[in-house]
Amino acid sequence: DAGVTQSPTHLIKTRGQQVTLRCSPKSGHDTVSWYQQALGQGPQFIFQYYEEEERQRGNFPDRFSGHQFPNYSSELNVNALLLGDSALYLCASSLAVNTGELFFGEGSRLTVL
Amino acid sequence: GEDVEQSLFLSVREGDSSVINCTYTDSSSTYLYWYKQEPGAGLQLLTYIFSNMDMKQDQRLTVLLNKKDKHLSLRIADTQTGDSAIYFCAELMNFNKFYFGSGTKLNVKP
Repeated sequence: DAGVTQSPTHLIKTRGQQVTLRCSPKSGHDTVSWYQQALGQGPQFIFQYYEEEERQRGNFPDRFSGHQFPNYSSELNVNALLLGDSALYLCASSLAVNTGELFFGEGSRLTVL
Repeated sequence: GEDVEQSLFLSVREGDSSVINCTYTDSSSTYLYWYKQEPGAGLQLLTYIFSNMDMKQDQRLTVLLNKKDKHLSLRIADTQTGDSAIYFCAELMNFNKFYFGSGTKLNVKP
């Protein structure tokens, strides 16, 4: 049973560029959440997708957007990258009927130069 | 209800018990969690406790919840070097948003 998988694992971008990160949820899960983890900090909630719609959003600007596909996989897009966007981006999946159990992927490490 | 506080570091000797503490602010949290993160890895769910429970034990792990003081602790019995990692406390809000503390780095000395 595959867990949560994310790609790419590492990437380097320059300021002003755009990035797309991808996530496949754990088998059987229908809800995907994205978190940003800056160095030395705990994860911060970005948003959550269920039934291909954004269900909840944290305190992140509109430069952060996402998408969920019919197969429940998800993408996180960040436009106009800033140095401060450098972080580990974590995808987590769960079941809508049991959002209490959240399973995380290994993350995508984004470095903005 | 977004402030989850943890101490930054804890150092113990192998074989001792470790106790990692956390305070949270929102009494309406439904679940409280402990996650473990090893270097360069994602978060691994260790255990969680429903807000109407006081204690939960799972092998070497014991979670204590004091709702009155909004205090959560994780006790690891017989701590091993493989337990060295960062431990995050988290609370679940609105049934779908997690708030995490900044993590406690546990160092286990042989």
